[in-house]
Amino acid sequence: EIVMTQSPATLSVSPGERATLSCRASQSVNSNLAWYQQRPGQAPRFIIYGVSTRATGIPARFSGTGSGTEFTLTISGLQSEDFAVYYCQQYNNWPLTFGGGTKVEIK
Amino acid sequence: EAQLAASGGGLAQPGGSLRLSCAASGFSFSSYSMGWVRQAPGKGLEWISYISGSSTTIFYADSVKGRFTISRDNAENSLYLQMNSLRAEDTAVYYCAREYMEVGGVQFDYWGQGTLVTVSS
Repeated sequence: EIVMTQSPATLSVSPGERATLSCRASQSVNSNLAWYQQRPGQAPRFIIYGVSTRATGIPARFSGTGSGTEFTLTISGLQSEDFAVYYCQQYNNWPLTFGGGTKVEIK
Repeated sequence: EAQLAASGGGLAQPGGSLRLSCAASGFSFSSYSMGWVRQAPGKGLEWISYISGSSTTIFYADSVKGRFTISRDNAENSLYLQMNSLRAEDTAVYYCAREYMEVGGVQFDYWGQGTLVTVSS
């Protein structure tokens, strides 16, 4: 099983600033990496697939980079609706696995 | 727009059973693979099962293999999860989710609102 590790667990950022979230895989997942956003009390929302492609309707302030085992989600110019928990997910191998999440909170 | 509505959660005793349902609308259900993902209280996401559109391909996480059964009824636009031999550690919100079919690999682009399963005596 591929273990996905996200860091930091919590990120405190001021509105308008940039947030940088990390996701590391225990072995290469190639470019088979997705990101989800989960606001409190809501279901996850699909935001990025293939490392860097934004899902439909996702604003350009969300960007993803990386390959192999190291990945980054960057949120530029944080808005109030962006404060949430973010999960990475690998789909290179079964079982599908998610990272433990990074909570982006208001500083 | 695609919509998914999960139901069937509730309180079950250890060793008991529950059957979750997920009603799909707004898309051609039979053309999409589907999955179940759960989230224990205050914890992260855990994928537990997957079924292809024609039900020919099914996968389970080791944590539920042999106890849970995924199925679907394309005529009824419904996805199911039969959960047997429930354990306290199965307590979670269960989400049904649709596979994003535009690229290879399994990611989930639409999620239901989740249904809470509590396993306790």
